[in-house]
Amino acid sequence: KQEVTQIPAALSVPEGENLVLNCSFTDSAIYNLQWFRQDPGKGLTSLLLIQSSQREQTSGRLNASLDKSSGRSTLYIAASQPGDSATYLCAGYLLSSGSARQLTFGSGTQLTVLP
Amino acid sequence: DTGVSQDPRHKITKRGQNVTFRCDPISEHNRLYWYRQTLGQGPEFLTYFQNEAQLEKSRLLSDRFSAERPKGSFSTLEIQRTEQGDSAMYLCASSPRVSGNNEQFFGPGTRLTVL
Repeated sequence: KQEVTQIPAALSVPEGENLVLNCSFTDSAIYNLQWFRQDPGKGLTSLLLIQSSQREQTSGRLNASLDKSSGRSTLYIAASQPGDSATYLCAGYLLSSGSARQLTFGSGTQLTVLP
Repeated sequence: DTGVSQDPRHKITKRGQNVTFRCDPISEHNRLYWYRQTLGQGPEFLTYFQNEAQLEKSRLLSDRFSAERPKGSFSTLEIQRTEQGDSAMYLCASSPRVSGNNEQFFGPGTRLTVL
């Protein structure tokens, strides 16, 4: 059962573009939401955490928002750079998992920023 | 390096052999998690520890899998009688004891290949 969906699965953009990555949940009841970056063959790097009482978080060129009513989150990347090329994963603590401890992940969006 | 560390980074084994992985969390984090990630997919939750207590286990954690955290610090994940389907990246994460902040920080992972 796919509970977290990320669209698109892959995205290629020229350097300098602003872009939006999307994440949606079949169960809109979520606690916190976390966005990660994963480079090929590597572990996950935490980018942003949106806690249950928050609607968005910003870090540098990244901004993540969470709309619980619609079960959606977006990750906005401003002025993209080739070094941003990686797979971006969203993950939430879903009520349907019965746990506020285990993250449920999407399959990720593979981003390529062309110089 | 104050991040989550995992050892080994890569493990190649023959089907039927036992393997053990180690995870050292960030020192002040009392929560520790294990996930499994297969190619092209997001990580899937396996198990969760709070201090030395194993509080949650996924149904993915068959009886061939066992995890321990004997002193509430490092953790080990053992797979007995490995099968080719066990080939995956095994990721460890930790999070702090601060109430309401369960941001998870991941290690580099152990890539297991079962021949």
